[in-house]
This record gives sequence, C-alpha cells and structure tokens, in this order.
Amino acid sequence: KNQVEQSPQSLIILEGKNCTLQCNYTVSPFSNLRWYKQDTGRGPVSLTIMTFSENTKSNGRYTATLDADTKQSSLHITASQLSDSASYICVVGPMDSNYQLIWGAGTKLIIKP
Amino acid sequence: DTGVSQNPRHKITKRGQNVTFRCDPISEHNRLYWYRQTLGQGPEFLTYFQNEAQLEKSRLLSDRFSAERPKGSFSTLEIQRTEQGDSAMYLCASSPRGPGQPQHFGDGTRLSIL
Repeated sequence: KNQVEQSPQSLIILEGKNCTLQCNYTVSPFSNLRWYKQDTGRGPVSLTIMTFSENTKSNGRYTATLDADTKQSSLHITASQLSDSASYICVVGPMDSNYQLIWGAGTKLIIKP
Repeated sequence: DTGVSQNPRHKITKRGQNVTFRCDPISEHNRLYWYRQTLGQGPEFLTYFQNEAQLEKSRLLSDRFSAERPKGSFSTLEIQRTEQGDSAMYLCASSPRGPGQPQHFGDGTRLSIL
C-alpha cells in the first residue's frame, strides 16, 4: 500500500534555531516528492518539488533532501522565524499518476519567541 | 489577487441538506483538483479535471458527491444529503499541464454539519 509517514508529529523550537522534519514513504515507483507548508486555516503552499533523480532542493531557508534508495526525505529549516509556525506536509507523486498524489499527515511546527 | 479562489469560506448546514461549493482556479491552469481535509490529516484526493473533463474520481468518494467544470474554468462540488462525517475542509487546487507541476491551493471551504 502506498503510504507517506512523517515524524515527528509535532515539534516546538525556539525562534532562530534550526530543525529537520522527516518523511518516509513506500510509494514505488515514484515520480516526484514535494513539501508543502500549510498555515492554520489556509490552503497548502508548495515549498519544493524534487524528481526521483534529485538529491536536494532549496527554497530560501528551506532545504529538502531525498534519498530514493532508502525512501526517505527531510526538510531542514534554518534560522527559524515565528512565521514558520505551520504544518509541513510531505507528498509523493506516484509514477503512474500525474495528479493523484499521496499525502502525509504533516508535522506541526511551533516556533516560540 | 490571481490565486485560487473558493467560496464560501465557511458553510454551516443541517444534516440531510445539499451544499454546493465553488472554485475559481488560476486562469491559465487547465488542471483542477478537489480535496477533503480533516483535522490533523493531510488532504485526501477527491477528483480531478483536465479542462472540462473529469478524468479521475476517488473510489472512496460517495455517490452523494458530484463535481462539475462546465466550461473548463470554474468548478463546483456538490454534496447531497449531507451527513455528520462530511464535516471537513474542502480544498481546491489548480496546476498547469505537465508532470511535476506544483498545485496551487485555495484557502478552502470549511463545512460544518449540525
């Protein structure tokens, strides 16, 4: 069964600190892996999209990594800001579908001043 | 604002009533998606349109749910005979044609069934 699992479920860190969120998936074969940020009460916003052949992609203070051999991805946030408080969702695009993505449940990140 | 627009933002209705939501995608996007999201979970795929054609519908989707995109622009999602379990956030997204394109989401319609 195609699944995407994220850890931790929730995380609290102090403003200015770095953090890393984890994503493990069983989707195979897969075409791409995405990270989305979702603020409370808002729709998700795309942070990064990596194809299966890419190892890393950055978007400002956000850096995503991908290890297709171990089926793991991580999202690293550098120098966290209060506005980073949100849910971060890992999403995998199966090879056999351009649109039916497999979504994780997300990691809820809280940044404290 | 040229992002994805959804209306209404909130809908409260009694069990058994019908509801309809509207989504206006980014104008140049030919792909449109509907999702449902409950608290603490990621979005769950409901259905997908390419232009006006509905190409995929989740097997988990009840027959009470129907979606249309009559002219390949805006879309509507209707739920008939609503049930308590239908309470959720309904999200719409759009994307351009092509593999690996990001989906751009609206801020959703929150449905509460009394």
